[in-house]
Amino acid sequence: AQSVTQPDIHITVSEGASLELRCNYSYGATPYLFWYVQSPGQGLQLLLKYFSGDTLVQGIKGFEAEFKRSQSSFNLRKPSVHWSDAAEYFCAVGMDQGGKLIFGQGTELSVKP
Amino acid sequence: GAVVSQHPSWVICKSGTSVKIECRSLDFQATTMFWYRQFPKQSLMLMATSNEGSKATYEQGVEKDKFLINHASLTLSTLTVTSAHPEDSSFYICSAVRRAGTGELFFGEGSRLTVL
Repeated sequence: AQSVTQPDIHITVSEGASLELRCNYSYGATPYLFWYVQSPGQGLQLLLKYFSGDTLVQGIKGFEAEFKRSQSSFNLRKPSVHWSDAAEYFCAVGMDQGGKLIFGQGTELSVKP
Repeated sequence: GAVVSQHPSWVICKSGTSVKIECRSLDFQATTMFWYRQFPKQSLMLMATSNEGSKATYEQGVEKDKFLINHASLTLSTLTVTSAHPEDSSFYICSAVRRAGTGELFFGEGSRLTVL
């Protein structure tokens, strides 16, 4: 069955520290992979996506993610976290970029001064 | 960029009443729209896929008679929660697929439903 796992429910990092949010997926075919960010009571904002090509993908707000087929992972990274990055982050997988998505459970990021 | 708007963004209703939530693609035509439900501190669960001019396709376990979806035009899909009960209280989010170009997906801001 298709699934997305985000092992970390909640992560706290200090402002200025680096960040890595984990995402593992189970999918029959080559997936389309996405990372979204959600602020409280808000909709989703796309951070980045991977379809094919270079496995290191650059996104908005200084985020990047690396697709590792051998590990079925698509981890999100940021070298230096800002207080405004505190939010819920969702990894998602789909068959194409315009189809229905399967979301992970989400990782809540807290940033301490 | 493309904008998907949901209305209302926040609604409170009494148990037993029906509530309609609209999802509009403001600057593009959407061949397909998706409706998701999100409980507090949880992930998004797909409820149904809505295609313009045809019946919605519901995910397993979603009551189609309770959650009525209508996609009457290429820019509007509606979700009606019929005879709402407190357990229907949730955050409902739609997404729309742009008809032209690469068929990219865009999300609305969400609608929070509270049933008293």
